[in-house]
Amino acid sequence: AQSVTQLGSHVSVSEGALVLLRCNYSSSVPPYLFWYVQYPNQGLQLLLKYTTGATLVKGINGFEAEFKKSETSFHLTKPSAHMSDAAEYFCAVSDSGNTPLVFGKGTRLSVIA
Amino acid sequence: EAEVAQSPRYKITEKSQAVAFWCDPISGHATLYWYRQILGQGPELLVQFQDESVVDDSQLPKDRFSAERLKGVDSTLKIQPAELGDSAMYLCASSLQRDLEAFFGQGTRLTVV
Repeated sequence: AQSVTQLGSHVSVSEGALVLLRCNYSSSVPPYLFWYVQYPNQGLQLLLKYTTGATLVKGINGFEAEFKKSETSFHLTKPSAHMSDAAEYFCAVSDSGNTPLVFGKGTRLSVIA
Repeated sequence: EAEVAQSPRYKITEKSQAVAFWCDPISGHATLYWYRQILGQGPELLVQFQDESVVDDSQLPKDRFSAERLKGVDSTLKIQPAELGDSAMYLCASSLQRDLEAFFGQGTRLTVV
């Protein structure tokens, strides 16, 4: 069965600083990996996804993530944080798209002015 | 832009009462999911439909929860009787196919008192 571990339930960065949100996964087959963002009392919005091909994936709002099979990781980064990036971020995994998404517990990102 | 519609957005109910949530997926999306998100955690799958058929309901507490998608379009999730521990955000999502990205609705926030 798949699983996702997000290191750090809360990350705080200064405006303009690098954002790094960590995600490690477990999957018995090649994974499909996703990052979603959730604003308070809202649904989840897809930031980016990895299925096959290029391991560096670019998403919306300047975010990107790199699939590293050897490290079973899919960390999310953004070079310069904006105040509007403050939200909850969820990493999710699916077994090659054949199973529903399994989510991590989320990381709350705070951006300090 | 097409989106997943959910209603109501907020629901307060007394324990032991019945409650129902409605979801209208993006037109043409054959796969529909219901997730439950407890405060401070990631979403957890309750049930997955492919058209009108249940594909996975292994995590659905069937003694009190039921879900249907009679015509393979919109779906209803019911809880009877509601318990205090059912307080959560209930998220509906849909995808064109099982192996494609899921689009989420804004969710229904349930509070059981």
